[in-house]
Amino acid sequence: GAGVSQSPSNKVTEKGKDVELRCDPISGHTALYWYRQSLGQGLEFLIYFQGNSAPDKSGLPSDRFSAERTGGSVSTLTIQRTQQEDSAVYLCASSLAQGNTEAFFGQGTRLTVV
Amino acid sequence: GENVEQHPSTLSVQEGDSAVIKCTYSDSASNYFPWYKQELGKRPQLIIDIRSNVGEKKDQRIAVTLNKTAKHFSLHITETQPEDSAVYFCAASEARRVFKTIFGAGTRLFVKA
Repeated sequence: GAGVSQSPSNKVTEKGKDVELRCDPISGHTALYWYRQSLGQGLEFLIYFQGNSAPDKSGLPSDRFSAERTGGSVSTLTIQRTQQEDSAVYLCASSLAQGNTEAFFGQGTRLTVV
Repeated sequence: GENVEQHPSTLSVQEGDSAVIKCTYSDSASNYFPWYKQELGKRPQLIIDIRSNVGEKKDQRIAVTLNKTAKHFSLHITETQPEDSAVYFCAASEARRVFKTIFGAGTRLFVKA
């Protein structure tokens, strides 16, 4: 594809349910990031994948959050037992090599927990 | 880990004036400093970046300066136009075992016509 693709674009879920958010990075990009952006706020780092290295999970806010990246390409962010404070836009970005190059963002998934 | 501070959080300027946004970073090993622009409802997009081997970079009305000693970098927009209105994020790439990009909290720029 031409860019980073995320699905779904919008997700409304009930409190306590699990959700999965998907990110398809640009082909050939070895670095992949997940960020969370609450309304009117900045970009909160969640997790970073780089090639076959162990992911940097230092930004995950709780053990309800997890992510994986299969085959070095598609990534899934899973939020278990969702809470209202999880409501935000979840942005995925990928970059060509290590993190010191331009990151290309997906359009985001807007998650609303009701 | 890396920490990026950005200010001001909101900036309002008259069309044609200049706008300056400042950021500081904590990790002296960081060597890549991009700036992203996010228009309302859209994804962040890179507008300019600078690496630690240069002190200044310009692209038309946009310039970025870097002071490695003081660990701060700034975005300068001259002759602002209403379409410059957006949220601007600075970022620093943390250089440890692997590189990781950490963003500032963002500056909401309003350009009044």
